[in-house]
Amino acid sequence: EAQVTQNPRYLITVTGKKLTVTCSQNMNHEYMSWYRQDPGLGLRQIYYSMNVEVTDKGDVPEGYKVSRKEKRNFPLILESPSPNQTSLYFCASRGTTDYEQYFGPGTRLTVT
Amino acid sequence: RKEVEQDPGPFNVPEGATVAFNCTYSNSASQSFFWYRQDCRKEPKLLMSVYSSGNEDGRFTAQLNRASQYISLLIRDSKLSDSATYLCVVAGRGGGNKLTFGTGTQLKVEL
Repeated sequence: EAQVTQNPRYLITVTGKKLTVTCSQNMNHEYMSWYRQDPGLGLRQIYYSMNVEVTDKGDVPEGYKVSRKEKRNFPLILESPSPNQTSLYFCASRGTTDYEQYFGPGTRLTVT
Repeated sequence: RKEVEQDPGPFNVPEGATVAFNCTYSNSASQSFFWYRQDCRKEPKLLMSVYSSGNEDGRFTAQLNRASQYISLLIRDSKLSDSATYLCVVAGRGGGNKLTFGTGTQLKVEL
């Protein structure tokens, strides 16, 4: 089954404690992205990657890091989480031939 | 001004009603347009692409007006299962993976 997986699905953590949210896709897609979704603000792109070892900032990259060492994986790293990073996070991937994004199930992060 | 603007709703309609959502975008260079559906606390999923000539998929019709920078989605004979948030999405020219999402319009279909 074609899918994007994320882990963990739910995470409650404290300010400053480094965390990583993993993302993996099995569709051999080149493009992968991370979004956060907040009430009234919609989905905003954090980072994206056009291929292995190629990443770039989206609209709201501050406080986040990513890496793309393998085509299938695109982890999101919060080195020092803060309460304003409490949000619903989605990983997404797509191929090169169209714009249809396949989203992971989401990670609900709470930073206290 | 937001790049993609939608009326947040909620739109509460009876089952069987016809409902229309509108969306405006600010970047005239935008190339591709989509409607996504998002159920509560779930991931967005592509509902349909939007073409200049208009396109239909069952009970759903999407229209694009480039001159007015306006996109619409019409749902006929609405079902309870259509209750969701509908996201208008605009893709720019180049820019790698740049999709811009509207904040969504919430639809509630009631008995």
